[in-house]
Amino acid sequence: DTAVSQTPKYLVTQMGNDKSIKCEQNLGHDTMYWYKQDSKKFLKIMFSYNNKELIINETVPNRFSPKSPDKAHLNLHINSLELGDSAVYFCASSQEWDPSYEQYFGPGTRLTVT
Amino acid sequence: GIQVEQSPPDLILQEGANSTLRCNFSDSVNNLQWFHQNPWGQLINLFYIPSGTKQNGRLSATTVATERYSLLYISSSQTTDSGVYFCAVVNSGYSTLTFGKGTMLLVSP
Repeated sequence: DTAVSQTPKYLVTQMGNDKSIKCEQNLGHDTMYWYKQDSKKFLKIMFSYNNKELIINETVPNRFSPKSPDKAHLNLHINSLELGDSAVYFCASSQEWDPSYEQYFGPGTRLTVT
Repeated sequence: GIQVEQSPPDLILQEGANSTLRCNFSDSVNNLQWFHQNPWGQLINLFYIPSGTKQNGRLSATTVATERYSLLYISSSQTTDSGVYFCAVVNSGYSTLTFGKGTMLLVSP
């Protein structure tokens, strides 16, 4: 009964390819997020969705396109992968679009671009 | 944007020792969370603590929002406590977490 799940857990691909990472939450939350953790372990917000609508896009290259088919899912599609995209991507969710609610994180997807 | 500073950046302990990790933030917050990232990379929620004190087993946390800091106490440390501890806050008026750079903890047997 995993609360926030991501697939795949590991993704190894070559430069120039297109790949997707999927995220699902079974908590009934309205808000979902994508965070990126770089090689120095620094975590930073990429996108935030509330009720399937994009709320925040933190100056992420437009090669990254999130999609939320419903409130329980937030997928991340990346076009024309570059070496610098190698990172761990974390999905998270919170009950509402309100800063006072706790955020719950998925297990992460480690993306390696060769 | 809000600044989050964690100290110390690295910490090495013998098993059984106690430690205190600190998180300073530069502005008022609506949310503060402590996470443990284990050696397998999982981010584990430890505390949701925008103010006050909470305890969970050997771990406890205190946030003094008016003075803009939070402390995480680890008592009787175990090797399984090793990993990176992150403090993250949500600035008033925003809804996304801003993370500190973390404290890397190594507990040796």
